[in-house]
Amino acid sequence: QKEVEQDPGPLSVPEGAIVSLNCTYSNSAFQYFMWYRQYSRKGPELLMYTYSSGNKEDGRFTAQVDKSSKYISLFIRDSQPSDSATYLCAVALYNFNKFYFGSGTKLNVKP
Amino acid sequence: EAGVAQSPRYKIIEKRQSVAFWCNPISGHATLYWYQQILGQGPKLLIQFQNNGVVDDSQLPKDRFSAERLKGVDSTLKIQPAKLEDSAVYLCASRRITGQQWEQYFGPGTRLTVT
Repeated sequence: QKEVEQDPGPLSVPEGAIVSLNCTYSNSAFQYFMWYRQYSRKGPELLMYTYSSGNKEDGRFTAQVDKSSKYISLFIRDSQPSDSATYLCAVALYNFNKFYFGSGTKLNVKP
Repeated sequence: EAGVAQSPRYKIIEKRQSVAFWCNPISGHATLYWYQQILGQGPKLLIQFQNNGVVDDSQLPKDRFSAERLKGVDSTLKIQPAKLEDSAVYLCASRRITGQQWEQYFGPGTRLTVT
């Protein structure tokens, strides 16, 4: 069983749509939950992270963690063509000594 | 603030040859990571350094991979001998924790092709 599972997509949406990206994880000991954006042939870029459960908002991006169901989500409001990329979720233990990425969801926002 | 630097950007070698990658993290970042990203997959952590000490190398194939972090700054990752399945992008990242906040940055990666 993988530590974190992510639907690979691809996900194609029209510009302005609300995008929902999701991951599930297996170990309830994970405390940090991250979302990264990776453009083609670039390194990942940390978008946001949350500690424990709850929501976090940053501009058009909202991250949610539901520890009871081991489910993490990233919502993108008013999606733009520039949001087209692969989105990676990641989980880590409290001390960051174990850090696991999902396989990524490829998002295409059509103008 | 300069980003994480990696070199070379691309490398093509034959199987059983050796190869080395170099990473220069952001100044002041105590934590350095090496990841392997195979096409279509998420990055897999190979090794994590805290200053010049190893924190986690549980997923590093130690029979062929080695890594060191010189004086807690630059780092090199070596593969000897390479196998076809080592074809991947090798990503270096560094992290800084300030109080309750942390930030992490990735380098552009080294794309390795083993033929």
